Amino acid sequence: QVQLHESGPGLVKPSGTLSLNCAVSGDSISRGNCWGWVRQPPGKGLEWIGDVCYTGATTYNPSLKSRVTISLDRSKNQFSLTLTSVTAADTSIYYCAKSPGWYKIDCWGQGTLVTVSS
Amino acid sequence: QPALTQPPSASGSPGQSVTISCTGTSSDVGGYNYVSWYQQHPDKAPKLVISEVDKRSSGVPDRFSGSKSGNTASLTVSGLQAEDEADYYCSSRAGSNGYVFGTGTKLTVL
Repeated sequence: QVQLHESGPGLVKPSGTLSLNCAVSGDSISRGNCWGWVRQPPGKGLEWIGDVCYTGATTYNPSLKSRVTISLDRSKNQFSLTLTSVTAADTSIYYCAKSPGWYKIDCWGQGTLVTVSS
Repeated sequence: QPALTQPPSASGSPGQSVTISCTGTSSDVGGYNYVSWYQQHPDKAPKLVISEVDKRSSGVPDRFSGSKSGNTASLTVSGLQAEDEADYYCSSRAGSNGYVFGTGTKLTVL
């Protein structure tokens, strides 16, 4: 059974860079699937951020594309999210996620709250 | 890409059926058979319920069903139970732009 676990700072300063990792257990990120991130502002709806497939190919939400990088770390079997030039609007619960294809997410991390504040 | 449109709320009594709609465009819902539905209980991660319009995820009761007509997809929950009370989100392929989620619907079991 695949499990995902997010880690990273819970507080980031405005104009700074948000960095999160997602550790994967129960599967190899190099064997298949796409690995991505979804965020949810407290009390609000879900927003897809982007993903990276096992080939290294990436797809990003057009509204965030200029600020987002998602990458694989095959040696640690984890993947990461970097979001630059953050503002208070980026305060959200960030979920890492696994997609086996067919545009569905079949496994989610428990989520981690990141607050952007000085 | 704009979020898919869902009603903010839906409700039904135990045993009744309720249908939640998800309206997009020909560039997302109408253009692909890649509509998924997720259930999210308070303070929990979302859980996949339906994928590819009408395929139930493993372990999901057959009370949950999905369909699509044109640019609108629907999730029907039959025989409502208390544990079905949750937020529900649709999502769709959005061409080369990846995914787009719906605005979310809070389902209340009266």
